Amino acid sequence: SQQGEEDPQALSIQEGENATMNCSYKTSINNLQWYRQNSGRGLVHLILIRSNEREKHSGRLRVTLDTSKKSSSLLITASRAADTASYFCATAGSGYALNFGKGTSLLVTP
Amino acid sequence: EAGVAQSPRYKIIEKRQSVAFWCNPISGHATLYWYQQILGQGPKLLIQFQNNGVVDDSQLPKDRFSAERLKGVDSTLKIQPAKLEDSAVYLCASSLSAGSDGYTFGSGTRLTVV
Repeated sequence: SQQGEEDPQALSIQEGENATMNCSYKTSINNLQWYRQNSGRGLVHLILIRSNEREKHSGRLRVTLDTSKKSSSLLITASRAADTASYFCATAGSGYALNFGKGTSLLVTP
Repeated sequence: EAGVAQSPRYKIIEKRQSVAFWCNPISGHATLYWYQQILGQGPKLLIQFQNNGVVDDSQLPKDRFSAERLKGVDSTLKIQPAKLEDSAVYLCASSLSAGSDGYTFGSGTRLTVV
């Protein structure tokens, strides 16, 4: 069963703008991860945040986690056309197998 | 380091036929996962292996799907007989161990059942 729910389902912005995607989940987690998937290709791991962390940065990515609200957000700053892809949040519970949401489709136009 | 290798890249079969997918994880990765991704949806876990043992196969349709990971390295996923609703991308992923930083995914096998 799918654990995470991303919001919005689709997002369209211009190059240079920031993109924010949100993820909500239902059960307790050990960590939450964000992945990117370009059309027709495999998933690429972007960032992992553990349940005892509140914020994490990696390059132009910023992830927050609020375990009390069971939610996370992914911020991509200064978006580029190459950031166009689908973004998935995935939660890892006690068994550490990932449960994915349905994804947010991001379109960055020049 | 080499990534997760999957083959074939594409497969088209008729319903009721059988099909097998192969996955070679990153060397040294103890944990291997098979996911099914239907168009427009997120990946759904089918089975998780730790070395050559099954950790979680609760979402594997065992009446038609089977998977094995002999010697704790390569893995095969089989569907027999296939149904139209099995059309999807089958993704293999591996990690050093369960809970380690990030999983590495292969490019997947796109299955079309006609």
